[in-house]
Amino acid sequence: NAGVTQTPKFRVLKTGQSMTLLCAQDMNHEYMYWYRQDPGMGLRLIHYSVGEGTTAKGEVPDGYNVSRLKKQNFLLGLESAAPSQTSVYFCASSPRTVGENEQFFGPGTRLTVL
Amino acid sequence: AQKVTQAQTEISVVEKEDVTLDCVYETRDTTYYLFWYKQPPSGELVFLIRRNSFDEQNEISGRYSWNFQKSTSSFNFTITASQVVDSAVYFCALSYYTGGFKTIFGAGTRLFVKA
Repeated sequence: NAGVTQTPKFRVLKTGQSMTLLCAQDMNHEYMYWYRQDPGMGLRLIHYSVGEGTTAKGEVPDGYNVSRLKKQNFLLGLESAAPSQTSVYFCASSPRTVGENEQFFGPGTRLTVL
Repeated sequence: AQKVTQAQTEISVVEKEDVTLDCVYETRDTTYYLFWYKQPPSGELVFLIRRNSFDEQNEISGRYSWNFQKSTSSFNFTITASQVVDSAVYFCALSYYTGGFKTIFGAGTRLFVKA
């Protein structure tokens, strides 16, 4: 049981490049989330999904897209990376609504955009 | 608007000291949930506790204890007899309903425990 895994762990991009971050969970959770963590700002929700085939915007969605084609996977895409997207990205999942359940977090992806 | 404030950016203590991490939240909802998460140097966030808005009972788990007071909108976390392994960033979070539950996190408090 691996829990929540994220690929890759580190990445350096040049401005304008694109990339996809992959999140996978093996706990059969319905809900999945993408956060970014910046110094002094805690975690901010980018996008989330309440089930396979559904996605919704969070607090800071601009510049990102997501897809949830399979229940166990949640992809975060950056179409044209900008230096402001330099951050640590965390994926999380929860069995049902996060209000009633804690979230299980992946190890994070450290992204640097030059 | 919903908000979580962790006013202490960094705290430094010596091993075996007690330390309290403050968390103040704002919400107009009557139903909400409060959480504490720990982020050790390895980076992964670990769930510590959940409290719903209708349960103001304080909780103790080993050296950890939590004090939830709706009157002051606070959900403080105390570590008794701190240890070096307690060194981490601690986040307080609030989940509220807005067509579905969403979670907002405080900025975090970095705790240094020195031997």
